[in-house]
Amino acid sequence: AQSVTQLGSHVSVSEGALVLLRCNYSSSVPPYLFWYVQYPNQGLQLLLKYTTGATLVKGINGFEAEFKKSETSFHLTKPSAHMSDAAEYFCAVITFGNEKLTFGTGTRLTIIP
Amino acid sequence: DTAVSQTPKYLVTQMGNDKSIKCEQNLGHDTMYWYKQDSKKFLKIMFSYNNKELIINETVPNRFSPKSPDKAHLNLHINSLELGDSAVYFCASSQVREREGRDTQYFGPGTRLTVL
Repeated sequence: AQSVTQLGSHVSVSEGALVLLRCNYSSSVPPYLFWYVQYPNQGLQLLLKYTTGATLVKGINGFEAEFKKSETSFHLTKPSAHMSDAAEYFCAVITFGNEKLTFGTGTRLTIIP
Repeated sequence: DTAVSQTPKYLVTQMGNDKSIKCEQNLGHDTMYWYKQDSKKFLKIMFSYNNKELIINETVPNRFSPKSPDKAHLNLHINSLELGDSAVYFCASSQVREREGRDTQYFGPGTRLTVL
């Protein structure tokens, strides 16, 4: 079975500060990991994904995430927050041969001017 | 061009009615999905079709019935709507990669269903 835990349902950071959104996964086989962003009243947009290879993955809008197998983590970071980053962020996992994409409960990111 | 599109974007209806939501993808993907996002933003898969064949059918009331006329379309029909069906419904699509397994799922803009 696979699962995802996102620590912190709400995260607030000041504009220009570091953004860190936490995601831990559970999987009995090597996972594929994703971060999606959902802006208010919109659909989900892929930020970045890890399948195999380099463990540091760069995505759109200056976000990146690092796959750490020893910590079963895939935390999302951005060096400097921008007002336009305010949104809901979802971590998700899928495994080879499993058709189901399992989502975390989401983290709402608020940017303080 | 929109990759995954859904209609309608908003749907307001009375309890007991029957309604359908349509989804189309122009990505050439072989698999399509329906997800439900509840009021707490929790996303859960409902159904998945691969080349018109049902491959995932989660614990969903049988009032919900997906229909796939071809691999580019997956519609969701809901009978006898209940208050608890109010949610945002997302369609998604993806493609199997031979050695990589399931590729990224691309989502539609969602349909906000409100049952009064």
